[in-house]
Amino acid sequence: AQSVTQLGSHVSVSEGALVLLRCNYSSSVPPYLFWYVQYPNQGLQLLLKYTSAATLVKGINGFEAEFKKSETSFHLTKPSAHMSDAAEYFCAVSDPSASSASKIIFGSGTRLSIRP
Amino acid sequence: SQTIHQWPATLVQPVGSPLSLECTVEGTSNPNLYWYRQAAGRGLQLLFYSVGIGQISSEVPQNLSASRPQDRQFILSSKKLLLSDSGFYLCAWSAQNYGYTFGSGTRLTVV
Repeated sequence: AQSVTQLGSHVSVSEGALVLLRCNYSSSVPPYLFWYVQYPNQGLQLLLKYTSAATLVKGINGFEAEFKKSETSFHLTKPSAHMSDAAEYFCAVSDPSASSASKIIFGSGTRLSIRP
Repeated sequence: SQTIHQWPATLVQPVGSPLSLECTVEGTSNPNLYWYRQAAGRGLQLLFYSVGIGQISSEVPQNLSASRPQDRQFILSSKKLLLSDSGFYLCAWSAQNYGYTFGSGTRLTVV
């Protein structure tokens, strides 16, 4: 079985500061990992995904995440926060070997607030 | 390119009334389709998924049902809404395991 844990339901950083959103996963097989962003009253948008290629994955809006197998982590970072980054962020995991319906397991989400 | 359409965007319904939310996908064939619900302040709960026409799997027993009458159409229904059915409903599609593409969501308020 797979699972995802997002540490911290709410993270607040100052504009221009480093953004670090933590995600740890549990999987019995090498996983695919994803980060999604959700703005208020909107659907989820894919930020980036890890599919067993490069361990450092670059996404949209200046975000990146590093897959660390030894730590079972896939933390999301951005060097300098912008006010427009305020949103809810979801980490997710799936089993690439699963047949047909590839259910993705989502974490509980982390709300990112940006202080002026 | 693939697009996913979900409607309506907002809906206010009285308790005991029926519900029908529709989701359609364009630009792909035989997608896996999903319905999620997001209650206020909570994460995403998978309600139903479908791997093909007429094939529905339910993740959580509840007051809702789903149908897939056509390859790229996924419908979420209820015969009688409850207050607890309020939430933000999201449709999504995927091909294999390369992540989901989500619709813009429907905000349902049951009053």
